[in-house]
Amino acid sequence: GAGVSQSPSNKVTEKGKDVELRCDPISGHTALYWYRQSLGQGLEFLIYFQGNSAPDKSGLPSDRFSAERTGGSVSTLTIQRTQQEDSAVYLCASSLRWGLAEGKDTQYFGPGTRLTVL
Amino acid sequence: AQKVTQAQTEISVVEKEDVTLDCVYETRDTTYYLFWYKQPPSGELVFLIRRNSFDEQNEISGRYSWNFQKSTSSFNFTITASQVVDSAVYFCALSGNTGTASKLTFGTGTRLQVTL
Repeated sequence: GAGVSQSPSNKVTEKGKDVELRCDPISGHTALYWYRQSLGQGLEFLIYFQGNSAPDKSGLPSDRFSAERTGGSVSTLTIQRTQQEDSAVYLCASSLRWGLAEGKDTQYFGPGTRLTVL
Repeated sequence: AQKVTQAQTEISVVEKEDVTLDCVYETRDTTYYLFWYKQPPSGELVFLIRRNSFDEQNEISGRYSWNFQKSTSSFNFTITASQVVDSAVYFCALSGNTGTASKLTFGTGTRLQVTL
């Protein structure tokens, strides 16, 4: 079946502009996660959604970052007033469900969106 | 707080050599899960294995094997008879059972270069 897809694959923007990154999880997966991979910080958790529950936003680095998930499926990560330090690869992952259910919380990752802020 | 340490930044081996990638973790959770992911040059993280904290049996899958030792908080990964296609960055990760149970904490990764 289809894996996690993300769009765009690459995004170049100017400092101060807003950007939207999209993630389509694996069909039937109820949990969705966003991570960021950068040279200086490695792989870091940003936010995750589980079903209709309130998202865990504990990893968002600032209030310029927000995310939503519509209809329990597609998610959009929005970065407002982008800064050069936002340049990174943004990775989305999904799992069948959340929590430590045996095997069902394994996260499968998309190809990422490479964001470059000039 | 959870922490994953991959002390080996980069490893270079010649094809057919065996190689072990080290992973040491820290957690206060009594139940937790450990993962290995592979990131080839294409960039996509590929899931390799998931291990729970109450199962210390080692696991073998083809040329891959994993050694989980709770006493030393380690979850090492061995590739036997390495191949050029094994060249990638390998990440060890941890999730726990407090707070955000499914949030993965990653190590900094080990870049493996396999040459002919």
